[in-house]
Amino acid sequence: NAGVTQTPKFRILKIGQSMTLQCTQDMNHNYMYWYRQDPGMGLKLIYYSVGAGITDKGEVPNGYNVSRSTTEDFPLRLELAAPSQTSVYFCASSSRVLDRGYEQYFGPGTRLTVT
Amino acid sequence: AQSVTQPDIHITVSEGASLELRCNYSYGATPYLFWYVQSPGQGLQLLLKYFSGDTLVQGIKGFEAEFKRSQSSFNLRKPSVHWSDAAEYFCAVGASGGYSTLTFGKGTMLLVSP
Repeated sequence: NAGVTQTPKFRILKIGQSMTLQCTQDMNHNYMYWYRQDPGMGLKLIYYSVGAGITDKGEVPNGYNVSRSTTEDFPLRLELAAPSQTSVYFCASSSRVLDRGYEQYFGPGTRLTVT
Repeated sequence: AQSVTQPDIHITVSEGASLELRCNYSYGATPYLFWYVQSPGQGLQLLLKYFSGDTLVQGIKGFEAEFKRSQSSFNLRKPSVHWSDAAEYFCAVGASGGYSTLTFGKGTMLLVSP
């Protein structure tokens, strides 16, 4: 299986534009996450989902929206892009299997620049 | 809420030398603890994890980590570093006893000198 896939790999947006970052997993995981990574800051959780139709905010949700209509897909929407959203975005998924300690599997990331 | 501190932003180690990367966490109960590695331009790969049992955990690529409850630490070690180990390393903590999200440290960049 492919694991967690993300598209696009790179994108340049102008201020005020909108876009959707795509994330798909083929491991039948219930839990999915979106993180952003800024230099020297580690990963910050944007949104997460515990199953289809259920989403919740993470640490830095402002300026983003998500939806989860299927188990496999968890797109991240930027409505009005701002320079502060320049970052690398990672999608991850995990299975709610207690003895696996909620290990998260990560996609390869999307590098977004807003100018 | 849980938190993670990785005190070292950068560490340089000679190839063949031993390595220890520090991680301290804050959480009221027994946590789930993880170490991830990120090579340049890549996603994160799980090295190892602790969630119960033996406090010395073995991972991939020859890495190990030891959970020390008394010190709230989960330091990553490798006896002999290879040039291919140069990457950024992230420690993460999650709450036990039910679902929770992970909190990541800010990372430690490992440089390997010849």
